[in-house]
Amino acid sequence: NAGVMQNPRHLVRRRGQEARLRCSPMKGHSHVYWYRQLPEEGLKFMVYLQKENIIDESGMPKERFSAEFPKEGPSILRIQQVVRGDSAAYFCASSPDENQPQHFGDGTRLSIL
Amino acid sequence: AQKVTQAQTEISVVEKEDVTLDCVYETRDTTYYLFWYKQPPSGELVFLIRRNSFDEQNEISGRYSWNFQKSTSSFNFTITASQVVDSAVYFCALSVRSGANSKLTFGKGITLSVRP
Repeated sequence: NAGVMQNPRHLVRRRGQEARLRCSPMKGHSHVYWYRQLPEEGLKFMVYLQKENIIDESGMPKERFSAEFPKEGPSILRIQQVVRGDSAAYFCASSPDENQPQHFGDGTRLSIL
Repeated sequence: AQKVTQAQTEISVVEKEDVTLDCVYETRDTTYYLFWYKQPPSGELVFLIRRNSFDEQNEISGRYSWNFQKSTSSFNFTITASQVVDSAVYFCALSVRSGANSKLTFGKGITLSVRP
C-alpha cells in the first residue's frame, strides 16, 4: 500500500540548469496533479494529467515548465533554465478518479543556487 | 473563480485547550467539495476530511470536528483538547466539479502551535 512517491526529496540546481521532478501515483490511481508551494504561501495548482493526457494546465507558467504522464512510468514535471524564483516545494497528488480525494506525496524541495 | 480564505495566520494555544480554525470559501458552483489538510513540520500533506456541498452534517472524528455552514460559506475545524502533536500548518481547500476540472484551491494555511 505504497503512497504517492516523489523523488528526489530535495533537489539543488544552479541557475540555468534543468530540474526533473518525478511522481509515482498510488497503485490504481490514473489521475495526477502537481502543486507548487512557495515560501510562506499555500499550495497553488499547476497541472492535472491523466495517462498520456494533459487535462488542465491553467496553473502552469507559460514558459520553461512542462509536465507529462506517460503510459508507462512516473509523471514528470520538468523545469528548464531554472531561476531563483523557482525555489519551492513541489507536491504531486493522485486519485483514482476526479471524484475521489487527492492523496499527496511528501513533496520535492527545489533549491536554486 | 474559486477562493478560500483562512483569515487566521498563526494561532498559539496551550496543550488541552480547544482551538477552532476558520475557513471561508467562495464559489458560484452548486456542487463542490471542501477539504482540510494538515502539514506537520516534516512537510508532508496529510488528508483529514472531505465534505460535499450537499451534506451539511457536522462531523466528528476523535478530537477533531468540522462545522460546515453553507449560509455563511464556512467550513470550520475544531480540535478539542489540543496536543503538542497537533502543531502543524492546516490548509482548507475547495474543488468544484465542472467537467473534468477537479483541481484544489487552497487557502494560505494556519500555523497552529500547541505549547506543553
